[in-house]
Amino acid sequence: DVKVTQSSRYLVKRTGEKVFLECVQDMDHENMFWYRQDPGLGLRLIYFSYDVKMKEKGDIPEGYSVSREKKERFSLILESASTNQTSMYLCASSLTRAGGYTFGSGTRLTVV
Amino acid sequence: ILNVEQSPQSLHVQEGDSTNFTCSFPSSNFYALHWYRWETAKSPEALFVMTLNGDEKKKGRISATLNTKEGYSYLYIKGSQPEDSATYLCAFKIGNEKLTFGTGTRLTIIP
Repeated sequence: DVKVTQSSRYLVKRTGEKVFLECVQDMDHENMFWYRQDPGLGLRLIYFSYDVKMKEKGDIPEGYSVSREKKERFSLILESASTNQTSMYLCASSLTRAGGYTFGSGTRLTVV
Repeated sequence: ILNVEQSPQSLHVQEGDSTNFTCSFPSSNFYALHWYRWETAKSPEALFVMTLNGDEKKKGRISATLNTKEGYSYLYIKGSQPEDSATYLCAFKIGNEKLTFGTGTRLTIIP
């Protein structure tokens, strides 16, 4: 069964901390994505990657960066966490650009 | 950012009844339309990926249709069951670029 694993289900961090959210997929998918989900808003794309060491900005990249050193792992980095980054973060992957996405179970991040 | 609109925002349906909801999207440069089901405390799960105008897809009691010329897709659930309670997300792609999601339709089945 295809799997996307996010390292933490719940996370509480302090304002100003550097935060790493990890995502690993075991399906040899080329494409990986980071979204955030906030009440009343659709899933919003933060960053995505179509290949190792490749990254592209999504719709809301400010305050975030990403790393993809290996095909299976796509990390989201909050350089200096702020309270407005409190959200549910979802990682996804897809085999092809045209295909459906497989999502992880999400990380609910609270910045205090 | 291009808009995807889903309606209604939420829906309560009696167990056994059938229901449907809508996803509207910009019709120009259409590439693909996705439907996902997102149950509470679980990951969003892909239901359908549709690319052709007039496409109809079915998975058990759930089916979807696509009209790319007028920019809408319908999701139908026949004979609703409690396990159908979830948020249903649609997302569209223009020109093989990134997927843009709607805010979802939250469906609650009343036993």
